[in-house]
Amino acid sequence: NAGVTQTPKFQVLKTGQSMTLQCAQDMNHEYMSWYRQDPGMGLRLIHYSVGAGITDQGEVPNGYNVSRSTTEDFPLRLLSAAPSQTSVYFCASKRTVQETQYFGPGTRLLVL
Amino acid sequence: SQKIEQNSEALNIQEGKTATLTCNYTNYSPAYLQWYRQDPGRGPVFLLLIRENEKEKRKERLKVTFDTTLKQSLFHITASQPADSATYLCALEGTNAGKSTFGDGTTLTVKP
Repeated sequence: NAGVTQTPKFQVLKTGQSMTLQCAQDMNHEYMSWYRQDPGMGLRLIHYSVGAGITDQGEVPNGYNVSRSTTEDFPLRLLSAAPSQTSVYFCASKRTVQETQYFGPGTRLLVL
Repeated sequence: SQKIEQNSEALNIQEGKTATLTCNYTNYSPAYLQWYRQDPGRGPVFLLLIRENEKEKRKERLKVTFDTTLKQSLFHITASQPADSATYLCALEGTNAGKSTFGDGTTLTVKP
């Protein structure tokens, strides 16, 4: 199993540009989440999904959209990038509640 | 609002000693708590999970306690080694939300 994969690894955007961060898992996990991590801080939940077709907002959802059309994929869309969205983005998945989350390697995003 | 505090940003100890990290929470009734390890530039890696009805969990040199009355978890690494140097994150999750809330982490440095 590849586990949780994320692309790209690093991206530079200009203010106002849009982009999609890709996340895929091959473990048939129902639960998937997107977090952002700013320097010296923990992870803050952006959006999460408890299954295909079901998504919900986390702690910091503004400026981001998600969809879950398949069990494997959970893309995160930045609608109009802002410098405040400069961060490291992690995708995670788990089989069900009260189980281990597996994290991807992260996407480093710089918005100029 | 829900709040998670990890005892300090940084903890320095000598090799062979026991490291003790603290995770306190308020305005939360978690069903379980997890500890993760994060190395620089990498995603978090799961270490231990403890449920609300469990007092203590052990795994090799790691031990976690969970006191729902004090709203506190302690994470111990015995016989610490320089390779244990990393940032350690605690995360709480409710009964059926499917989403986790993370603390900001404690960076542990074990000196030889």
